[in-house]
Amino acid sequence: GAVVSQHPSWVICKSGTSVKIECRSLDFQATTMFWYRQFPKQSLMLMATSNEGSKATYEQGVEKDKFLINHASLTLSTLTVTSAHPEDSSFYICSAGWTKSSYEQYFGPGTRLTVT
Amino acid sequence: GQNIDQPTEMTATEGAIVQINCTYQTSGFNGLFWYQQHAGEAPTFLSYNVLDGLEEKGRFSSFLSRSKGYSYLLLKELQMKDSASYLCAAMDSNYQLIWGAGTKLIIKP
Repeated sequence: GAVVSQHPSWVICKSGTSVKIECRSLDFQATTMFWYRQFPKQSLMLMATSNEGSKATYEQGVEKDKFLINHASLTLSTLTVTSAHPEDSSFYICSAGWTKSSYEQYFGPGTRLTVT
Repeated sequence: GQNIDQPTEMTATEGAIVQINCTYQTSGFNGLFWYQQHAGEAPTFLSYNVLDGLEEKGRFSSFLSRSKGYSYLLLKELQMKDSASYLCAAMDSNYQLIWGAGTKLIIKP
């Protein structure tokens, strides 16, 4: 149980376009979803925390107008990278949990974004 | 500030034992996690310690000392598939995970 999927697994887009990444909890209802970004050889960086039906809470330094997060249901959260630039190229990972406690947190397989 | 320290890289031999150390400083403490991450993949959960002592799970064991702000992950009978990065993460008083940069473990035959 506790399977989280992400789509797409990798995407290449042109600079200035927008990309949407989906995160789904397949066999449980995720009250909370987390979005991370990871650059090569670096640690996971939490971008935002989203709770179903409410606005996402963004970490300091993360532009909420650039990284749009929608947690419309208990099984789906989306991250849209708007007006993507090459520096946005990264590995984006979502995780889902039942409660505020990050302990009950399961990771999706990640999405590799390359902006050309 | 909040901080997690772990070695950048370690090398070990197949069949041997390796210990990966982690020290942490957080605002409050709600547990210490270890995750395994293979290249190009998302992390997978290995262990969670919230009380002092050693937790054993098969070939992997994790130890915690809250007074020292210290944990280690012990891997026994190393296999080539254990080559991966091992991430240490501490949960602070707001239930937020503070991540270390990861330790890349290289297993040699």
